[in-house]
Amino acid sequence: AQSVAQPEDQVNVAEGNPLTVKCTYSVSGNPYLFWYVQYPNRGLQFLLKYITGDNLVKGSYGFEAEFNKSQTSFHLKKPSALVSDSALYFCAVRVNRDDKIIFGKGTRLHILP
Amino acid sequence: GAVVSQHPSRVICKSGTSVKIECRSLDFQATTMFWYRQFPKQSLMLMATSNEGSKATYEQGVEKDKFLINHASLTLSTLTVTSAHPEDSSFYICSALRGRMNTEAFFGQGTRLTVV
Repeated sequence: AQSVAQPEDQVNVAEGNPLTVKCTYSVSGNPYLFWYVQYPNRGLQFLLKYITGDNLVKGSYGFEAEFNKSQTSFHLKKPSALVSDSALYFCAVRVNRDDKIIFGKGTRLHILP
Repeated sequence: GAVVSQHPSRVICKSGTSVKIECRSLDFQATTMFWYRQFPKQSLMLMATSNEGSKATYEQGVEKDKFLINHASLTLSTLTVTSAHPEDSSFYICSALRGRMNTEAFFGQGTRLTVV
């Protein structure tokens, strides 16, 4: 069965520093990978996705993620963090032969001013 | 991007009553919608997959008679929590796929259900 792992419950980064939120996946088949952000009591906002093509994907708000097939990872990155980036981030995977989208447990990102 | 509207955003109901949550795709037709449940500080748990015109597919451990899902049109899916109890209190989120070949899911803003 497919699964997504986000090994860090929380990540703290000083404002202006680069940030990384980790995600690894396990699927049978070709993965479609996603990152979403959630603010308190809100639904999920789409950040970016990897379907095929270039391994480096650029998304909303200056975020990017790199698909690494050999390491089965899809880490979220941003060169310079903003306080407003503080939120809950979810990695998700969808397998092309199955419509389900499975989410990781989420990583809470704190950007310290 | 596509818009998914979920209503109501918050609802408080008495124990034993039923509550209906609506999920609408406003500017696209959604052949498939998903219903998730999120506990505080936890991830989204997929409850069921709703396909237009057919019965929903429930995940293991989700009571289909407790959580009734109806996907009567290409733009509307509803989740009814029947005979609600305090343990049903949670944040419920729907999402919609735009066509089978579209790989992105669009999410509603969520519904905070509190059963008292």
